[in-house]
Amino acid sequence: AQSVTQLGSHVSVSEGALVLLRCNYSSSVPPYLFWYVQYPNKGLQLLLKYTSAATLVKGINGFEAEFKKSETSFHLTKPSAHMSDAAEYFCAVTEMKTSYDKVIFGPGTSLSVIP
Amino acid sequence: ETGVTQSPTHLIKTRGQQVTLRCSSQSGHNTVSWYQQALGQGPQFIFQYYREEENGRGNFPPRFSGLQFPNYSSELNVNALELDDSALYLCASSLGTSGRAEQFFGPGTRLTVL
Repeated sequence: AQSVTQLGSHVSVSEGALVLLRCNYSSSVPPYLFWYVQYPNKGLQLLLKYTSAATLVKGINGFEAEFKKSETSFHLTKPSAHMSDAAEYFCAVTEMKTSYDKVIFGPGTSLSVIP
Repeated sequence: ETGVTQSPTHLIKTRGQQVTLRCSSQSGHNTVSWYQQALGQGPQFIFQYYREEENGRGNFPPRFSGLQFPNYSSELNVNALELDDSALYLCASSLGTSGRAEQFFGPGTRLTVL
């Protein structure tokens, strides 16, 4: 079964600094991979997704992620953190079932941005 | 085009009671997935409905059940509530069941079981 690990349940960065959120998945077959953001008391919003096209995926709000098959990783980065980036971030991977693709989420990383 | 909506926003129940949560999918979407998000954790897949049929299920007991209606809106029903059922319940709609299809999430229903 698929699983997702996110190293660091909480990450703090200074405003303007690099954001790096780590995600590793367990599958030997490249699946679909996602990063979602969740603001307080809100649902999840898709930041970006990997669907076996380019390994460097660009998303909304200046975020990007690189798929590395050899490392089974899909880390999320942003060159310069903004105060509005403070939120919970979830990495997710799909697991192929007979009639659908199940989405499995990691435990999340809470990002704080220090002014 | 309207987004995914959920009702109610918050709900407080006591152990042993039953609850029904509702989700209106985004226009044109025929698939609804339900997730349970406990405090401080990632969402856990409960089940998925596709064209009014349950299409897949996660590791949740049968007291978690659902429905999808002809307009593709959906309900999540939980019987015999337990304290551990306290969580944020999210629904997500998509066009089709492929993982490639983007899921659009509603704001969630916060359920508290006392």
